[in-house]
Formats: sequence, structure tokens, C-alpha cells
Amino acid sequence: AQSVTQPDIHITVSEGASLELRCNYSYGATPYLFWYVQSPGQGLQLLLKYFSGDTLVQGIKGFEAEFKRSQSSFNLRKPSVHWSDAAEYFCAVAFTGFQKLVFGTGTRLLVSP
Amino acid sequence: DAGVTQSPTHLIKTRGQQVTLRCSPKSGHDTVSWYQQALGQGPQFIFQYYEEEERQRGNFPDRFSGHQYPNYSSELNVNALLLGDSALYLCASSLYRARDQPQHFGDGTRLSIL
Repeated sequence: AQSVTQPDIHITVSEGASLELRCNYSYGATPYLFWYVQSPGQGLQLLLKYFSGDTLVQGIKGFEAEFKRSQSSFNLRKPSVHWSDAAEYFCAVAFTGFQKLVFGTGTRLLVSP
Repeated sequence: DAGVTQSPTHLIKTRGQQVTLRCSPKSGHDTVSWYQQALGQGPQFIFQYYEEEERQRGNFPDRFSGHQYPNYSSELNVNALLLGDSALYLCASSLYRARDQPQHFGDGTRLSIL
């Protein structure tokens, strides 16, 4: 079955430190990959997406992600975290025509001063 | 340019009741998808509507039904509500033919079942 795994439920990072959130997927072919962010009481905002081409993609708010086919991974990174980055982060994949998203369970990012 | 709008923002119902949630897609979009997000979980796909027809469906019972209108707006109906239906319901819109463009999400409707 198609699935997305985010192994870290919570991550705490000091403000100004670097961040990496992990995402692995299970599927026979290369899916279309997304990272979304959700602040409390809000909907989902797209940070970045990978469809094809360069495996390192840049997104909004200084985030980037790297697709590694051999590891079935699409990890999210940011070189310097800001307090406003505290939120829930979801990795998602689309397997059929971009239209049905399968989400991971999310990683809650806490930023300490 | 209005994004995806959902109404109401919050709703409280009791077990056995029926509920209707509404979604207006982003301007220019013609496809609406619905997701259920239980507390502490990622969103789960319920179904998708395009050209007023249900095109894809996730693993949800028939108690969950939907509708799409000619103006592309959509409704999600849930009958015989259960406590487990308490969740944030998210609507996402997209353009069916633009398969390289991601879905845009609304802020959701928080449904609480007592």
C-alpha cells in the first residue's frame, strides 16, 4: 500500500539552528512530493513541491527539500530556524494524477529561544 | 484573489445528527477535494469532485457524501454522526487539467460531536 512516514513526532530546535525533517514514502514509482505547514487552527500552506528534474527544490520561507530516489526520501531543511517556524509540518505524496494526496502523520516543530 | 473558503468555521453536533459543510474553491479552480484530519493525525482523503461528479474516493463509508455545483462550489454531507467523526474537515481546490499545480487548502471546518 502507498504510505508516507514521518518518523519524528516532535522536534525541538533552538532559534538560529538548522533544521531537517524526515519523510519517507513507500511506492513502486516516483511519486509527486510535497511539504505543507499548518499553524494552529489553520489550513495547510504549501512550502514546496517536487515533480521532476532537479532533486533539490527551493520553497517559501527559506525552506528546501532534497529528493533521494535510492532512499525513497524527501527531507525538508532550513539553515536557520526562526521562532515563527514553530508549526506542524506534513509531507505528502500524490500517486495518481496529482489529485489525491496521501499525508504523513506530521512533525511538530518547537523552537526554543 | 480569494483563496479557498470554507463554512462554517466551527460546528457542534450530537451523535446521530446530519451535517453539511461548504467549500468555495479558489478562483479559476474547477476541482474540489475533501480531507478529514483527526486530532494529531495527517489529513485523510475523503473524495474529489470534478464536473459535478465524484471522481475518486478514499476509504470512507457511504455516510460521507458530497455534491458539486455548476459554479464549482462543493458540499460535504455526513449522516448518522459518530463520535469518531469529530475532526477538522479540509477542502482543497485545484485545476483538473493543470496536473503540475498543487492543491490549495482552506482553513477548514472544525466539527465536534457530543
